[in-house]
Amino acid sequence: EPEVTQTPSHQVTQMGQEVILRCVPISNHLYFYWYRQILGQKVEFLVSFYNNEISEKSEIFDDQFSVERPDGSNFTLKIRSTKLEDSAMYFCASVKAGGRGGQYFGPGTRLTVL
Amino acid sequence: DQQVKQNSPSLSVQEGRISILNCDYTNSMFDYFLWYKKYPAEGPTFLISISSIKDKNEDGRFTVFLNKSAKHLSLHIVPSQPGDSAVYFCAVNAGGTSYGKLTFGQGTILTVHP
Repeated sequence: EPEVTQTPSHQVTQMGQEVILRCVPISNHLYFYWYRQILGQKVEFLVSFYNNEISEKSEIFDDQFSVERPDGSNFTLKIRSTKLEDSAMYFCASVKAGGRGGQYFGPGTRLTVL
Repeated sequence: DQQVKQNSPSLSVQEGRISILNCDYTNSMFDYFLWYKKYPAEGPTFLISISSIKDKNEDGRFTVFLNKSAKHLSLHIVPSQPGDSAVYFCAVNAGGTSYGKLTFGQGTILTVHP
């Protein structure tokens, strides 16, 4: 069964550094998402992406964040200048055309900002 | 953000018995509801969804019930198996599909004892 994949599984970075988290959504899916989960908190929506543009973003997704689909398979989340509070699990998700069923999540990238 | 609440942090059941997980929401604009299962160090796994035009949806051992007037949904697992032990999240969406921002509950830890 096709799966969403994410790399790396764990990223450690220094505060102020840029990080890029990578995702390969399921191949025939059209809508892509990033969520995060800070330890002990709820899974939170960050951004949705369709047809090569952002369709919705949360208040968390400020100017430090950006998303890109650089080719036909990858979907990336960039954090320009990481802060301590960006430490979280970051999940990529995708949805097939029609929107029935669920959003399918990847295994996540654990981001640790020191 | 208290739009989606799972009031039971944990639930313990015996193998073979029924597990009932509950979720309440506040906004009547929500019209698509999902349940996810999550193991440690993995992403959420989609289990089952229901649209607001239905009050019940079944998939194998999993049944989701929706009570729109009470703004309440529940997930029934029958029979429960030890492999069902995980964190269960409900998630809600407006727009009638799984497109768009999902809002998650805080999760219920289910433990199924052999």
